[in-house]
Amino acid sequence: AQKVTQAQTEISVVEKEDVTLDCVYETRDTTYYLFWYKQPPSGELVFLIRRNSFDEQNEISGRYSWNFQKSTSSFNFTITASQVVDSAVYFCALTLGYNFNKFYFGSGTKLNVKP
Amino acid sequence: GAVVSQHPSWVICKSGTSVKIECRSLDFQATTMFWYRQFPKQSLMLMATSNEGSKATYEQGVEKDKFLINHASLTLSTLTVTSAHPEDSSFYICSAREETGGSLDTQYFGPGTRLTVL
Repeated sequence: AQKVTQAQTEISVVEKEDVTLDCVYETRDTTYYLFWYKQPPSGELVFLIRRNSFDEQNEISGRYSWNFQKSTSSFNFTITASQVVDSAVYFCALTLGYNFNKFYFGSGTKLNVKP
Repeated sequence: GAVVSQHPSWVICKSGTSVKIECRSLDFQATTMFWYRQFPKQSLMLMATSNEGSKATYEQGVEKDKFLINHASLTLSTLTVTSAHPEDSSFYICSAREETGGSLDTQYFGPGTRLTVL
C-alpha cells in the first residue's frame, strides 16, 4: 500500500527564518513520482515541484529547495528566508508509474509565517 | 501551462437537493479526470476516476449512486452530488491528466468548488 506522511501538522516561524517541511513516503513500486503543492487560503493547489523515483538530484528554485533521499524514503522541502506570503498549507503527494493516475496526498503541513 | 477550471467555485444548497459541479480542461484534451474531496483542515482524498466515454471508477467507500460522474467529452467531466446532506459539505477538487506520452504526462488540478449544504 502507498502512504505519504507529513508528521508536522503546523509550523510557525518568523519572517526570514528558514523552515523545512518533512515528507516521508511508502511504496513498494520502483517507479513513482513525488510532488509538492502549496494550498493558500483560496484553496487552489499550486504546483511546486515533481520528482521521479530515478532522479535523486536535489533541486533549488529561488528560495525553495528539495531534498530527495530514497534511502530514507523522504522528500523534504525547505524554504529559505521565509516570507509572510509563504503562509499556506503544503501537501506532499505520490503517484505510481508514469500514468499519473491516483495521487496519494499527505495530510498537509500548515505553515504560518509571522512578520 | 495547462489550465483546468471548475464551475461553480462555490455553491450553497438546501438539504435534499442535487448539485452539479463541472470540471473542464481548457487547453488540452483529457481522457481521464479525477475527483477529490477535501474536508476542512484535512487532506485530499480521491473519490473517483472519470473516464471519457465509459463509467467512472469509484474508490472504496464512495457511494456511486450519490456521487454521479459523467465524462461526456474530452474536456468536460461533471460530478453531481445527489440528495445532498450537510455531511456532504466539503471542498471538491478535480484534476485532469494531460497525456503527452510516457514520462511527460502530468495532472493539472482545478481551483476547487466549495459546497455547503444547509
